[in-house]
Amino acid sequence: GAVVSQHPSRVICKSGTSVKIECRSLDFQATTMFWYRQFPKKSLMLMATSNEGSKATYEQGVEKDKFLINHASLTLSTLTVTSAHPEDSSFYICSATPGYNEQFFGPGTRLTVL
Amino acid sequence: SQQGEEDPQALSIQEGENATMNCSYKTSINNLQWYRQNSGRGLVHLILIRSNEREKHSGRLRVTLDTSKKSSSLLITASRAADTASYFCATVLTGANSKLTFGKGITLSVRP
Repeated sequence: GAVVSQHPSRVICKSGTSVKIECRSLDFQATTMFWYRQFPKKSLMLMATSNEGSKATYEQGVEKDKFLINHASLTLSTLTVTSAHPEDSSFYICSATPGYNEQFFGPGTRLTVL
Repeated sequence: SQQGEEDPQALSIQEGENATMNCSYKTSINNLQWYRQNSGRGLVHLILIRSNEREKHSGRLRVTLDTSKKSSSLLITASRAADTASYFCATVLTGANSKLTFGKGITLSVRP
């Protein structure tokens, strides 16, 4: 089956630093990748939609300069949380789709900003 | 606002019993999907039902879709302790090009 990986799985950083999270589709080419954020015991909130070779489309209320998304290839998208602050602490999950309806989710990245 | 709203928010049952979870949505959909999430982990896709389908089965899972009522149900039969997880319904709106909108989720606890 389709596999999506995320790296790192867990990161702890100091306030003010930037953190990069990678999302890779391991056995398929992902025309579109999605980035979600999830707070404890809450649902997934879509942050942005990333298409290979073009700028990401951000959801309302998501700061594009804060959350930089790059989709450089059909198997890799990165999310960079710039100048992270404690309120950015969350569980970040990516998903990838090969072009039909189903999305395949990564295992998530737990970000803790001290 | 959330497109999907699950009901109940939490469900606790005994192993062997059936678990029924409901999801309602607000606008026209292309398809509806159910996902499972174990604590602190990613999501696992369970089943997808298209807007022109009424019922689908996958192993111990049965999903129904009533587009007139804008609702779906997920039935897990003969539950196991390993089914303990959070379950989310997610909709792809008509013309939304794979974009998923998630409900708040249901926490299912299956007691051994």
